[in-house]
Amino acid sequence: AQTVTQSQPEMSVQEAETVTLSCTYDTSESNYYLFWYKQPPSRQMILVIRQEAYKQQNATENRFSVNFQKAAKSFSLKISDSQLGDTAMYFCAFMKPPVLGGGADGLTFGKGTHLIIQP
Amino acid sequence: DTAVSQTPKYLVTQMGNDKSIKCEQNLGHDTMYWYKQDSKKFLKIMFSYNNKELIINETVPNRFSPKSPDKAHLNLHINSLELGDSAVYFCASSQRKTSDTGELFFGEGSRLTVL
Repeated sequence: AQTVTQSQPEMSVQEAETVTLSCTYDTSESNYYLFWYKQPPSRQMILVIRQEAYKQQNATENRFSVNFQKAAKSFSLKISDSQLGDTAMYFCAFMKPPVLGGGADGLTFGKGTHLIIQP
Repeated sequence: DTAVSQTPKYLVTQMGNDKSIKCEQNLGHDTMYWYKQDSKKFLKIMFSYNNKELIINETVPNRFSPKSPDKAHLNLHINSLELGDSAVYFCASSQRKTSDTGELFFGEGSRLTVL
């Protein structure tokens, strides 16, 4: 079974700063998908960024980027120029590829990091 | 149009009652899920359905019974509610194609409070 660990329960930074959220995972699979989801106070789960394990290039989406270290099984999220609207719970998640049953297994989540952006 | 919609958004009920939460997706996905988010915000999968067929049933009490009348709907029925059932329940869907990254689309969640 896969496990996902987020070791930072809460982080707080000033607006406009850069912040990095850490995530490690454990799996015996060689191919898989990794995700960061954001859950603001509205409760909605919003996909921030995804990474496919067979791609060496780190994914980026505007101010959000990841540092994917496959050998270390590490998948950190960097948020640049943080904004007040980035305040939320951030969940790291793992999924096996659909062809290996991942679609049915769904996502395995970490326990989340509560990120607070201070004005 | 909302992609994954759940009703009701909030539900307050007494212990011992039976309640249902409905979920519908208009994305044409073939797989739907129920997740439970506890008071510490931990998200754990409860059920997974693919084309109306149950694929996963994690260690969930049999008081919880999912029902999928068609692949666009997955309802959750809970019998004999207990205090520990208080949580936010999320419905989600995905497309289980080999060419797809399998991203899950979530509903807005249904907060269940058992008194």
